[in-house]
Amino acid sequence: DAGVTQSPTHLIKTRGQHVTLRCSPISGHKSVSWYQQVLGQGPQFIFQYYEKEERGRGNFPDRFSARQFPNYSSELNVNALLLGDSALYLCASSLRTGGNLQPQHFGDGTRLSIL
Amino acid sequence: GDSVTQMEGPVTLSEEAFLTINCTYTATGYPSLFWYVQYPGEGLQLLLKATKADDKGSNKGFEATYRKETTSFHLEKGSVQVSDSAVYFCALSYNNAGNMLTFGGGTRLMVKP
Repeated sequence: DAGVTQSPTHLIKTRGQHVTLRCSPISGHKSVSWYQQVLGQGPQFIFQYYEKEERGRGNFPDRFSARQFPNYSSELNVNALLLGDSALYLCASSLRTGGNLQPQHFGDGTRLSIL
Repeated sequence: GDSVTQMEGPVTLSEEAFLTINCTYTATGYPSLFWYVQYPGEGLQLLLKATKADDKGSNKGFEATYRKETTSFHLEKGSVQVSDSAVYFCALSYNNAGNMLTFGGGTRLMVKP
């Protein structure tokens, strides 16, 4: 089975631009989460979506937004890019069984560089 | 707010040496605790977890015990291999499955033959 897939793998943008990152969860997984991992640091939680609704939000500015589609894939959007947005953006999906979410499976990430 | 602190790396060991990576946490409630591993060029993988005080998580020879009295979750392995070279992240979550994780800064382990 395919794992969590993210696209693109690498992306270069300039300050002030907008970016959209995409994530396809493992088949059957309805929960998708996004994390930002700045070089040399641990990942930071940005959003969690389940059944197309936002279920959790980390401490990120309103420039960051996300959505989940009927096929459970997800997009992360970042507006007005800053140099500090340069990072690896990780997507994770999880399965819900018996009313409980199961452990997350992470994708390999999208490396975003801001010039 | 909640936070996780890990010992700074890199940790460099010879093959078959004993490994300890320290992790302490600050939490307002009673979280579940996790160790994730990130091999070069790959995504994060769950290594082990513990959901309540005094629980021991173990996997692939690694183990960690949830110590509420010292707010710690130190990772140990009795005999490391070159293939264990990776970055290790300690994390907490108020969900047993590990959603909406709060991660530490990571510790790079380098094992030499």
